[in-house]
Amino acid sequence: QVQLEESGPGLVKPSQTLSLTCTVAGGSISSGKYYWNWIRQSPGKGLEWIGYIYYSGSTYYNPSLKSRVSISMDASKNQFSLNLNSVAAADTAVYYCARGVPGIAAGSVGGLDYWGQGTLVTVSS
Amino acid sequence: DIQMTQSPSSLSASVGDRVTITCQASRDISNYLNWYQQKPGKAPKLLIFDASNLGTGVPSRFSGSGSGTDFTFSISSLQPEDIARYYCQGYDHVPPEITFGPGTKVDI
Repeated sequence: QVQLEESGPGLVKPSQTLSLTCTVAGGSISSGKYYWNWIRQSPGKGLEWIGYIYYSGSTYYNPSLKSRVSISMDASKNQFSLNLNSVAAADTAVYYCARGVPGIAAGSVGGLDYWGQGTLVTVSS
Repeated sequence: DIQMTQSPSSLSASVGDRVTITCQASRDISNYLNWYQQKPGKAPKLLIFDASNLGTGVPSRFSGSGSGTDFTFSISSLQPEDIARYYCQGYDHVPPEITFGPGTKVDI
């Protein structure tokens, strides 16, 4: 059974960088052709996909956040991480990490089958 | 970008009723469509993938259909534990993208 768990600060000041880590248990993030995703959920915008890192290390980001986001992985710790810089109040949300399976079309992310429990990050001074 | 819409935004039904939710994509996404259930304070759970395939361990009262731009999600006999918000999620590969619908709240 794959399990994911988010960790990181629950409070970030405006203009600073939000940093979260997702620790994966029950499977290696660097083997198996899975996509490791970050998704956030705020009352105002619903569920918003942030981006993914593929098991090979390649990344893709939501164009609306691309200029501020980076996702990286540490295979030795079986973790992947999110950095979102220049945060503002609109970035306040519950942040989830999730595993994506390959979709029908080559290069696509299909269903997100395992999720972390989510972590609330508040942006406030 | 793919835009996803859902209707209704909320519904109330009785135990045993058939419940249907519709989802529309802004362009043809073939059957690149998933459905999730989210209960308060919990992460979403994958119920249906690729429009009509039942997720692992998901009860058979849940089903999905559709292709192109129009999709349907159904619960054949609503149970008390089905109270939740349901989201459709479209995806594509060129470029890679994942977009969620706004959700439908189901109450009894």
